[in-house]
Amino acid sequence: ETGVTQSPTHLIKTRGQQVTLRCSSQSGHNTVSWYQQALGQGPQFIFQYYREEENGRGNFPPRFSGLQFPNYSSELNVNALELDDSALYLCASSQDGGAGQPQHFGDGTRLSIL
Amino acid sequence: ELKVEQNPLFLSMQEGKNYTIYCNYSTTSDRLYWYRQDPGKSLESLFVLLSNGAVKQEGRLMASLDTKARLSTLHITAAVHDLSATYFCAAGPAGTYKYIFGTGTRLKVLA
Repeated sequence: ETGVTQSPTHLIKTRGQQVTLRCSSQSGHNTVSWYQQALGQGPQFIFQYYREEENGRGNFPPRFSGLQFPNYSSELNVNALELDDSALYLCASSQDGGAGQPQHFGDGTRLSIL
Repeated sequence: ELKVEQNPLFLSMQEGKNYTIYCNYSTTSDRLYWYRQDPGKSLESLFVLLSNGAVKQEGRLMASLDTKARLSTLHITAAVHDLSATYFCAAGPAGTYKYIFGTGTRLKVLA
């Protein structure tokens, strides 16, 4: 069973740039959720994709956008990067919308904005 | 809007002792999760609680859910050093696919 994999592991960008983070879901999972975790904080829910459709979104501006592909892998895109976007970005996969199912997390992408 | 609060935020305990971490949530939730996170690592799923009175146990950890009180607890029995980590609870607002995490409880078990 292949777990959740994220790429890249680390990334350094400057303010105003754009970034794309990638996530491959665990085998058999059709739901992917993205989180932002600032240092010393709990993860903040960005959005969830289920069968290629966004079905839940947290309090993040539209410059945070996503995509899920037919193989259920996913991308998180962030435009016009700000210093506060520096964080660990976590992807989690689950089955069938995730409600009532455990989420399996990847190791994350550490994004630093200079 | 659902808010999730954990206490204590920091917990230092001796090996062999028992303790409880509390997770309160502000509005109706239809699911409650507990996760463990080691420093510099990702999150590991511990428990999923879906109904009032649900109790789940794994090793020295036991989680319970009281939906009427909007409270979940994570009880640690006879703590060992390997349990040192940050523990998060997360709740999902009923009828949505959102997840709201607490701020975490940083547990340190002293030998």
